[in-house]
Amino acid sequence: KNQVEQSPQSLIILEGKNCTLQCNYTVSPFSNLRWYKQDTGRGPVSLTIMTFSENTKSNGRYTATLDADTKQSSLHITASQLSDSASYICVVTAAAGNKLTFGGGTRVLVKP
Amino acid sequence: KAGVTQTPRYLIKTRGQQVTLSCSPISGHRSVSWYQQTPGQGLQFLFEYFSETQRNKGNFPGRFSGRQFSNSRSEMNVSTLELGDSALYLCASSMETRTYEQYFGPGTRLTVT
Repeated sequence: KNQVEQSPQSLIILEGKNCTLQCNYTVSPFSNLRWYKQDTGRGPVSLTIMTFSENTKSNGRYTATLDADTKQSSLHITASQLSDSASYICVVTAAAGNKLTFGGGTRVLVKP
Repeated sequence: KAGVTQTPRYLIKTRGQQVTLSCSPISGHRSVSWYQQTPGQGLQFLFEYFSETQRNKGNFPGRFSGRQFSNSRSEMNVSTLELGDSALYLCASSMETRTYEQYFGPGTRLTVT
């Protein structure tokens, strides 16, 4: 069964600090992995999308990594800002049937 | 280019009623997908439409239905509403398939009382 597990479920960090979110998946065959940022009550906004051949991709202070061998991805937030407070969702696409599997998300709270 | 728009943004209905939600995709996008998001279940896929045809469907009861028009605008209908249908309903559009980059709308917050 295709699954995407994210950890931690939630975390609190101080403004200016870095943090790393984890995403482990069992989706196979793999097509791509995406990270989304979702502010409360809003729709998700894409941060990065990575295919099998890509192992790192940056979008400003957000850097995503992918290890397709271990089926793990991480999202690193550098020098966090209050506006980074949001849920971060990992989504994996299976190559067969174009099925999307969503992780449960990590809720990040940045405190001043 | 305008983003994905959803109407209405908020809706309150009572059990047993039906509701229709609307989604206008980004211009040029032909794929529209619908998702239900609840605190307990996270994001769950409802269905995807492409060129007025339902291409994929999630594991939701037949009370949930949708359609897509020739201009790619899509509607989702939920009949015989239940309390558990209270959720944020998100629409996402993409160029060809939902495996491409998806752009989400702001969602419709449905509350069933």
